[in-house]
Formats: sequence, C-alpha cells, structure tokens
Amino acid sequence: KNEVEQSPQNLTAQEGEFITINCSYSVGISALHWLQQHPGGGIVSLFMLSSGKKKHGRLIATINIQEKHSSLHITASHPRDSAVYICAVLYGGATNKLIFGTGTLLAVQP
Amino acid sequence: NAGVTQTPKFRILKIGQSMTLQCTQDMNHNYMYWYRQDPGMGLKLIYYSVGAGITDKGEVPNGYNVSRSTTEDFPLRLELAAPSQTSVYFCASRLRGLLVGTDTQYFGPGTRLTVL
Repeated sequence: KNEVEQSPQNLTAQEGEFITINCSYSVGISALHWLQQHPGGGIVSLFMLSSGKKKHGRLIATINIQEKHSSLHITASHPRDSAVYICAVLYGGATNKLIFGTGTLLAVQP
Repeated sequence: NAGVTQTPKFRILKIGQSMTLQCTQDMNHNYMYWYRQDPGMGLKLIYYSVGAGITDKGEVPNGYNVSRSTTEDFPLRLELAAPSQTSVYFCASRLRGLLVGTDTQYFGPGTRLTVL
C-alpha cells in the first residue's frame, strides 16, 4: 500500500464545475504539498500547508492532520485547470523529504 | 531569478554509456533534490543535499551519483546507463522556512532520458 493515496486517479469535468481531489496518507508528517503538473511541463507548487485551510484564487486546500487527509478544491473550473495534481507529504525532521502520490489527472472540458 | 534550471531537456543514451544531468539554482537555497518520475508512479527521491559538500541517498540511489561543490549546482551522474533508468528527472530546491509549512520546493523543468 502506498503511503500517499490520491483519489480519483482520473477526473473529467465540465467547465464551471466544482472539483475535489482527495489525498490520504499513512505516515506522520510535518506538512503537505499540493503540486500541479501540466502535460509535458514542469511541476509547480500550489500550496504547502500544515493545518487548516489555504485559498489562492479559485483553489482551496484543506488538511485534517488527525484524520491524515487533505483535499484540493477548484471552484468554477476552467479548461486551463487541466493538469495532473499531485499530493506530497513532508516528513523526516530536519532533512524534510517528500513522499509523493501518483497524481490525479484532471481534464476540464469546455 | 531563473529559478531552477536543468540541462539537457532530452537525451537518448545507449546501454552502458554515462552522462551528467546538470541542475543549477540561483535562489541561494540550501536544500536540493533529484527525483525521477516514471509513468503511473509518484516521484521518487534519488539523492538530496542539505548544503554544499553534504549529500545523502534517497529511496532509489542505485546507478546514480551526485556531488554538491557549490550552493548553486547539484549535478546527477549516471554511470553505465541501463533501460531501467529511462525516466523523467526533476531537480528541485528549497529554502527552509522559519515556520513549519512556510517553505516551498521549486522544481526544474525536467530532463527526459531514454536508454536504449
């Protein structure tokens, strides 16, 4: 079993829909990243959070440390949101290494 | 700032050849990482460094070597390339924040390597 599990693996939505991507993990962590990767492109960090909720534009990320679960929400989705969204958890004390989920492939259709 | 740069973008190697993947960051970050990304798998940590002169193995170090002679550069060396090393390689850097949850990893654009 992977230490970081994401669901769903694939998601197709219509433009304007509210989208939720989930991440569950089984290790003790100090923080959690949400990353975005466009096809053939690089990886961009969207959020890093250790508690509560963060919002940036149409993106909202929440984390529940007790339940070892995080969600990434996209409001009013747009075709340009189409990408792979990756959850990664930070562990390892001072060296702070990341364990990555396998990603959620999101396609937003116009 | 250019951020994290990687060269080359693409490379095809024959089995047994060697090469160095270059990674440079201009943000004065202490922490640097090398990951590989295989289809359907999460990124895996190959090697990391917490500062110039200090490197350590990650999850999948076999077949690779690194060095960190300066803060800016963190090259990844492949000796005796094998088909199992066909992957996309990402370099990343991080400046540790004062508070937990305040630092960010910056990723390079990736190097797509094929070993035939």
